[in-house]
Amino acid sequence: GQQLNQSPQSMFIQEGEDVSMNCTSSSIFNTWLWYKQEPGEGPVLLIALYKAGELTSNGRLTAQFGITRKDSFLNISASIPSDVGIYFCAGDDDNYGQNFVFGPGTRLSVLP
Amino acid sequence: DTGVSQNPRHKITKRGQNVTFRCDPISEHNRLYWYRQTLGQGPEFLTYFQNEAQLEKSRLLSDRFSAERPKGSFSTLEIQRTEQGDSAMYLCASSFVQGGEKLFFGSGTQLSVL
Repeated sequence: GQQLNQSPQSMFIQEGEDVSMNCTSSSIFNTWLWYKQEPGEGPVLLIALYKAGELTSNGRLTAQFGITRKDSFLNISASIPSDVGIYFCAGDDDNYGQNFVFGPGTRLSVLP
Repeated sequence: DTGVSQNPRHKITKRGQNVTFRCDPISEHNRLYWYRQTLGQGPEFLTYFQNEAQLEKSRLLSDRFSAERPKGSFSTLEIQRTEQGDSAMYLCASSFVQGGEKLFFGSGTQLSVL
């Protein structure tokens, strides 16, 4: 079945640094969604991607839909303390019914 | 605020009891999803509705779980004869497909089975 991997699993960075994380799939995906989740809350949608090669920004966040359609990347520039949280990718390949599968997440800690 | 609303936020129950959760989606959204999330994991798909029709259920979903979406508006998720392994955050999401689907999540219901 579908499976997503995210790397790194966790990261500790200094405030002001840039962050890169990625998500890879064993199958081709048609949609990628990136979310941020804080403790005790539901995931909050950050960016949605629908075409191979698509590059989309949302403030300091930029995400790309990989050309192979098996991966996606999320970058955060000039990190700030409120960027702390768990970042999830979710993908849909339209072949396993209408549901999105989630990766295990990347836990981001920002040190002041 | 017209986001996805879930009630209750927290539920503590004893093993063997039945529990029911409610989800009110964003009003113009026709798709509604239920996910389950345990500590340290990503959300896991349970089931999804398009309007009032339940179109897909995870093969992992026990027959103790049932979901409804009467009239294609709010949805309920019931767990019968709860087990300790059912302890998790239950998340609801809604979407409206227009130029690409986006799932918007509620704050979840945290279930603890003692």
